[in-house]
Amino acid sequence: DSGVTQTPKHLITATGQRVTLRCSPRSGDLSVYWYQQSLDQGLQFLIQYYNGEERAKGNILERFSAQQFPDLHSELNLSSLELGDSALYFCASSASGGMNEKLFFGSGTQLSVL
Amino acid sequence: EDQVTQSPEALRLQEGESSSLNCSYTVSGLRGLFWYRQDPGKGPEFLFTLYSAGEEKEKERLKATLTKKESFLHITAPKPEDSATYLCARSVNTGFQKLVFGTGTRLLVSP
Repeated sequence: DSGVTQTPKHLITATGQRVTLRCSPRSGDLSVYWYQQSLDQGLQFLIQYYNGEERAKGNILERFSAQQFPDLHSELNLSSLELGDSALYFCASSASGGMNEKLFFGSGTQLSVL
Repeated sequence: EDQVTQSPEALRLQEGESSSLNCSYTVSGLRGLFWYRQDPGKGPEFLFTLYSAGEEKEKERLKATLTKKESFLHITAPKPEDSATYLCARSVNTGFQKLVFGTGTRLLVSP
C-alpha cells in the first residue's frame, strides 16, 4: 500500500459530462501529481501542486482542471468529456516535489466515457 | 523533445531464465533515471533512481545500470511473482519533479 488514496476506483459516464476525481496524498507529503495512462501513450504528466499551489503543468487539456485544498487532498475535474478521455488517471505524491524525489502512486481511477 | 524508449514491448521468460530490459533516452538535461514496477490494476511502484553513467543499484533479483544513452534492468533467475510491467522514466531539467515515462515492458515469467 503506497499510502495514496484515490476515489472512485471506477467511473463510467457519457460524453459531454463532467466528473471529479479525488486524491489523498501520503501523510506528510506536500506535493501531488496527476498522470493519465492510456494504452497507446503510456503515462503522461498532467499537473503538479505543492502545498495548495500549482507548480507545473504538463499535457493537460483546457477542459481539465485541478486544485489542492488546505488539507492537501487534491481533485481533478474533467469536463465536456470525450471518448478519447477514457483512461486510467493516477495521482501520486511526494514529500516536497523536488527534483528526483520518488513518487508514490495511488491505484488509479479507471474512467470510461461511453 | 524528451523521449524514453523501452524494449522489448513484451517479454516471456521461464522461471530462472535471466534477461535484461532496455531503456534508451534523449541525452540532454538528464537529472535522474527511474525504474518503476506496475502490477495490473495498480499504480507504479518505485524501484530505483540512477543519476550518472556507471551507476548500478540492486534489489533482490533486479539490478539497474546506467550508461550515457541507456539504462538496463537485469533480472536474474526470475520468479513468477516478478511478472509485471516495468516502466522507465527520466527526470527532465525543469527544476521540479516532472517524469517522462516510457511505455513499459510487459514481463511474464512462467513457472
